[in-house]
Amino acid sequence: SAVISQKPSRDICQRGTSLTIQCQVDSQVTMMFWYRQQPGQSLTLIATANQGSEATYESGFVIDKFPISRPNLTFSTLTVSNMSPEDSSIYLCSVLRPSYEQYFGPGTRLTVT
Amino acid sequence: GENVEQHPSTLSVQEGDSAVIKCTYSDSASNYFPWYKQELGKRPQLIIDIRSNVGEKKDQRIAVTLNKTAKHFSLHITETQPEDSAVYFCAASDGNNRLAFGKGNQVVVIP
Repeated sequence: SAVISQKPSRDICQRGTSLTIQCQVDSQVTMMFWYRQQPGQSLTLIATANQGSEATYESGFVIDKFPISRPNLTFSTLTVSNMSPEDSSIYLCSVLRPSYEQYFGPGTRLTVT
Repeated sequence: GENVEQHPSTLSVQEGDSAVIKCTYSDSASNYFPWYKQELGKRPQLIIDIRSNVGEKKDQRIAVTLNKTAKHFSLHITETQPEDSAVYFCAASDGNNRLAFGKGNQVVVIP
């Protein structure tokens, strides 16, 4: 597996503001992903973070709301913009290993008031 | 897109008994099927996976079976222990490595 860290681990934010979440991996990976897990729910893929190009978003997620950066093969950020209480969730990054296994970061618990 | 359904939603078993969770998927192009275990407040942890060219895989007390014709796959946990209590998610991946998850099963092992 890989060592994956996320910052912050949790935050409480006011509606209308934005939060940037960082994901760092201890080794280079080809693919990184961002997921959302709403309270008591399953995981939903937000987007694939592409190194050196724009992220690929899933249906229902748009770049203006969830801008993503991937400047290199070990780091990515997800911004949750213009937040509302409905954005309260756990946001997780994952990385793809050469064996095609995906491993998750510890998650960022976001509460929007 | 891929749709993964997972049954039952909650499963209670006596310690030492077996637990079976079944998932069905919709996209015949899906070729990779992982299972994740998530304990309360923790990240999902990959516990076993299977690829479409294999029918069964076993790792100690856990096993996964895949029926491509019927488009379903199952997780089997034998000799359950209290530490097996968790939420288990199945997922299916297309050729782009994007995972679609089932809704999850709460497994409760009763000592």
